[in-house]
Amino acid sequence: QPVLTQSSSASASLGSSVKLTCTLTNGDKNYMIAWHQQQAGKAPRYVMKLEGSGRYTKGSGIPDRFSGSTSGADRYLTISNLQSEDEAEYYCESWDNSAYVVFGGGTKLTVL
Amino acid sequence: EVQLVESGGGLVQPGGSLRLSCEASGFIFRNYWMTWVRQAPGKGLEWVANIKQDGSEKKFVDSVKGRFTISRDNAKNTLYLQMNSLRADDTAVYYCAKYNGHYSEFVPDYWGQGTLVTVSS
Repeated sequence: QPVLTQSSSASASLGSSVKLTCTLTNGDKNYMIAWHQQQAGKAPRYVMKLEGSGRYTKGSGIPDRFSGSTSGADRYLTISNLQSEDEAEYYCESWDNSAYVVFGGGTKLTVL
Repeated sequence: EVQLVESGGGLVQPGGSLRLSCEASGFIFRNYWMTWVRQAPGKGLEWVANIKQDGSEKKFVDSVKGRFTISRDNAKNTLYLQMNSLRADDTAVYYCAKYNGHYSEFVPDYWGQGTLVTVSS
């Protein structure tokens, strides 16, 4: 099963950009992952799926400010022109060929 | 509009049982793998179980194997999680989610609002 490692926290100023990282270990570096956003007190929301090639597909209603990219075992979520509503916990998620799913520990994003 | 509505949570004593339900609407339920994911208070997301469209394949995280069962009723558009031998560390908000339907992808593209399970004496 893949192991997903995320930094516990990140911060950036309103209107700036931030790049969150999810690192894959114990698995194929070509694994697809998904990013999910969870605002305080709310259910998670699907943001995008991100392939090992760097191709990404966003969920319904996700603004253009959200994008994904890949470098080796690292999967990135970049948020541009940060807004106050982007303050949330962000989780990456992946799975193995046996349908066992894992989540990263989450990154708490603070918008300053 | 896709909707997933969980129910059945509550307070239960250690060793007890509870059955969660997730009523689905807005999509063809029988065509999609479904999943349960939980979140302990102040903690991150933890995958619990998956079930295939026809119920023929089921997967569980190791910590619930032998205690939890996932099932579905495609005629009722409802997903279930039967939880037995509950322990304090099963205390969490339980979310059901729909997978995106793409072959070999386990991407939850819609989530329910969750139901709280508290295991305590």
